[in-house]
Amino acid sequence: DGGITQSPKYLFRKEGQNVTLSCEQNLNHDAMYWYRQDPGQGLRLIYYSQIVNDFQKGDIAEGYSVSREKKESFPLTVTSAQKNPTAFYLCASSIDRASEAFFGQGTRLTVV
Amino acid sequence: EDQVTQSPEALRLQEGESSSLNCSYTVSGLRGLFWYRQDPGKGPEFLFTLYSAGEEKEKERLKATLTKKESFLHITAPKPEDSATYLCAARENTGFQKLVFGTGTRLLVSP
Repeated sequence: DGGITQSPKYLFRKEGQNVTLSCEQNLNHDAMYWYRQDPGQGLRLIYYSQIVNDFQKGDIAEGYSVSREKKESFPLTVTSAQKNPTAFYLCASSIDRASEAFFGQGTRLTVV
Repeated sequence: EDQVTQSPEALRLQEGESSSLNCSYTVSGLRGLFWYRQDPGKGPEFLFTLYSAGEEKEKERLKATLTKKESFLHITAPKPEDSATYLCAARENTGFQKLVFGTGTRLLVSP
């Protein structure tokens, strides 16, 4: 079954902790993305990657980091520098940057 | 600044009561208009892509249309299972050609 798998579904972070959200796809897509979704706001782009070993900052990259060592995987680390990390995080992928994006089921991160 | 605005914010329909959702965009050099459906606590599910004014696409009870300034998602004879948030996104023609998302329309269809 082809798709995008995000884990965990729920994640709790203590103040000052770094946490990593996993995103894996088996669609053989080149492009991958991380978005953040907050109530009353549209999805906002955190980071994107067009090919392996290359990634670029999106609109709200501060306090986040990513890596793209394998085509299938694009993990997102939420660092302690992100002051308001509580949100719903969505990973997506597309064949290329011009095509429609397909989303994973999301990870809800809560600061405790 | 590129912007996508969806209206209404929320819409309540009776089963079988047809209606339309609006997505207006101000994106320079549109490179595609995308519709997604999102259920609570889930990721968005891709529905349609439209590329040029006058284009239409259909899927079951949904039909998406595009003009030079806006897109409509028409829902014909909706059923309760059509209840969801519908998101619209426009792909801009600058730099990375990122998607600019609207805030969505929450649709509730009552039996």
